Amino acid sequence: QLQLQESGPGLVKPSETLSLTCTVSGGSISSNYYYWGWIRQPPGKGLEWIGTIYYTGSTYYNSSLKSRVTISVDTSKNQFSLKLSSVTAADTAVYYCSRRAWVSGAVDYWGQGTLVTVSS
Amino acid sequence: DIVMTQTPLSSPVTLGQPASISCRSSQSLVHSDGNTYLSWLHQRPGQPPRLLIYKISNRFSGVPDRFSGSGAGTDFTLKISRVEAEDVGVYYCMQVTQFPYTFGQGTKLEIK
Repeated sequence: QLQLQESGPGLVKPSETLSLTCTVSGGSISSNYYYWGWIRQPPGKGLEWIGTIYYTGSTYYNSSLKSRVTISVDTSKNQFSLKLSSVTAADTAVYYCSRRAWVSGAVDYWGQGTLVTVSS
Repeated sequence: DIVMTQTPLSSPVTLGQPASISCRSSQSLVHSDGNTYLSWLHQRPGQPPRLLIYKISNRFSGVPDRFSGSGAGTDFTLKISRVEAEDVGVYYCMQVTQFPYTFGQGTKLEIK
């Protein structure tokens, strides 16, 4: 059974960089058939797609965050990571890592999510 | 960006009765490969979203057959034939036809 697990600091200071890692177990991140990505949800609000990476390193970012976002992959560790720079209180959210299947086009697996609070 | 608009935003339903949620996109979700990448997700409080339906009408593994999806182009519908207590929560439509992927605002399903 595929599992995704987010890890990283739960508290980040304004203007600093948020860093999260997603560890994939029960499946290979190097599969041709899947993309890996990050989605966030501010408390009490809806979902926002942040970006997606393929195991080759090709990335796609939400233009609203593009200048601040970097997503990378480490196939040797079966992990992918998110960095979001110059954070503000508006970046406070639950961050989910996820898998999108190439054939179905669906985001079919999600991590449990991790709350990141931006505060001094 | 493609804007996804859901109606209603809140839906009180009686157990055992049907429910329906609509999702409209600001432009066609038909991809150049001919597929329409419209999904429906369900989120219970404190839980991550869970995939219900993909490519308009395909139920994901383990999803009960009381859930069904339909539509085409820019108009889509999720139907629950008989609402059960476990169906409460927020339902989202999502498109992955075009970057950036976008979501509807969410529809809160609650029991009367």
